Amino acid sequence: AQSVTQLDSQVPVFEEAPVELRCNYSSSVSVYLFWYVQYPNQGLQLLLKYLSGSTLVKGINGFEAEFNKSQTSFHLRKPSVHISDTAEYFCAVSVKTSYDKVIFGPGTSLSVIP
Amino acid sequence: DADVTQTPRNRITKTGKRIMLECSQTKGHDRMYWYRQDPGLGLRLIYYSFDVKDINKGEISDGYSVSRQAQAKFSLSLESAIPNQTALYFCATSVGGSGTTNTGELFFGEGSRLTVL
Repeated sequence: AQSVTQLDSQVPVFEEAPVELRCNYSSSVSVYLFWYVQYPNQGLQLLLKYLSGSTLVKGINGFEAEFNKSQTSFHLRKPSVHISDTAEYFCAVSVKTSYDKVIFGPGTSLSVIP
Repeated sequence: DADVTQTPRNRITKTGKRIMLECSQTKGHDRMYWYRQDPGLGLRLIYYSFDVKDINKGEISDGYSVSRQAQAKFSLSLESAIPNQTALYFCATSVGGSGTTNTGELFFGEGSRLTVL
C-alpha cells in the first residue's frame, strides 16, 4: 500500500524568506507525484507534478520540487515567499498502474508573516 | 464559470436528515470523484466513477451513496446524516478513457462545507 507523510503540519515563515515543505512517500511501485495548494475557502489546485524525466520540477508562483527516488521524497521549495503564499499545501501520489487512487498527505499549513 | 461546480457550498443540517451534494463539470472528463477533507487527515476518497455505469467505493464509503446521472454529473448522498460526517467535501475529475493518458492529476471543485448538528 502507498502512504504519504508530511512531517510539518504548520510552517510559519517571514515574508521574503525561503521555505521548504517536506513530503515523503512509501510505495513499492512507480508513482506520479503532485503538490496541490488550497487557498482559504477554495478548492485544491495543482501547483506542480512529477511524471518522469528531470527530477527538478518547476510549478506556478515560483515554487519548485525535487524528486529523490532513493529517499522517496518530493520536497517543495520557494526561495522567497509572499503573503499571498499563505495556504494549505498537500502532497499526493498516484500509482502508475492504478492511477484512479490518489493518496494525499495530511497537509502543511504555510503561514507567511509580514 | 468554474469547470467543476459544487452545490451547495455550505449546508447546516440535523442528525438523521438526508443530504445530497451535487457536482457538475464542463471539462469533458470521464472520471469523477468525491473526497472528504478533515483537518490533519488530508483528503480521503469516498467514491469514484469512471463512467455513467461504473461506480466504485473508496476508502471511507460507509454512510454515503452516489449517483452518476450523466457524464457531467455526480452526486453524493448522506441517507441519514450524523455529526461525524461534518466535513469539507470535494468533487474532482480526471481524464480517462481510451486514447488518453491518465496520471491521476485531479481537478477540484471549490468544496461543500457540511455541518451536521
